[in-house]
Amino acid sequence: EADIYQTPRYLVIGTGKKITLECSQTMGHDKMYWYQQDPGMELHLIHYSYGVNSTEKGDLSSESTVSRIRTEHFPLTLESARPSHTSQYLCASSESRGANEKLFFGSGTQLSVL
Amino acid sequence: QKEVEQNSGPLSVPEGAIASLNCTYSDRGSQSFFWYRQYSGKSPELIMSIYSNGDKEDGRFTAQLNKASQYVSLLIRDSQPSDSATYLCAVTGTASKLTFGTGTRLQVTL
Repeated sequence: EADIYQTPRYLVIGTGKKITLECSQTMGHDKMYWYQQDPGMELHLIHYSYGVNSTEKGDLSSESTVSRIRTEHFPLTLESARPSHTSQYLCASSESRGANEKLFFGSGTQLSVL
Repeated sequence: QKEVEQNSGPLSVPEGAIASLNCTYSDRGSQSFFWYRQYSGKSPELIMSIYSNGDKEDGRFTAQLNKASQYVSLLIRDSQPSDSATYLCAVTGTASKLTFGTGTRLQVTL
């Protein structure tokens, strides 16, 4: 069973606020990812990391930033939240085993910016 | 052309029938293929992976891969209402990049 945790589960916040979405995994996985998904829509990769001190932007442009100081922790930060940031944010991790990459997802954070 | 294509559905099948979900991909060098199930409001959950041509069975689920035709399918036998969800196809391409399709919504009716 995958052990990957996201907090908070739901977040309602006002425009202009700084927020950090937390993601932690206890499986020792090197690779971690942040996806953004609107209801009924596809997953969009916004950030990924292949290890400590390694972060890359994904396919979808995002105003968020990430950090990877520890293997188990991959937080996502929005410096100034806007209504356009309203979405579900999903964190995932996988073992670094070449092409046989199985992603395990956290429960997600549903963000609403008023 | 999208890298991974799926019919968005909804695909409606009666309880007990076989549900057939299809996915095509554009990168001929793709190596790994996955099916994720996502219930409404929940996170995707890996249900099948397949790496070589042919069929792979796991309980009521069978994944089929045909690299020459660049398609991968998922069969669900004896469909149950609890199988109603969106099924996401994901493919790892030559750059080891995992790409998701938009998903097919399956509805199993009583």
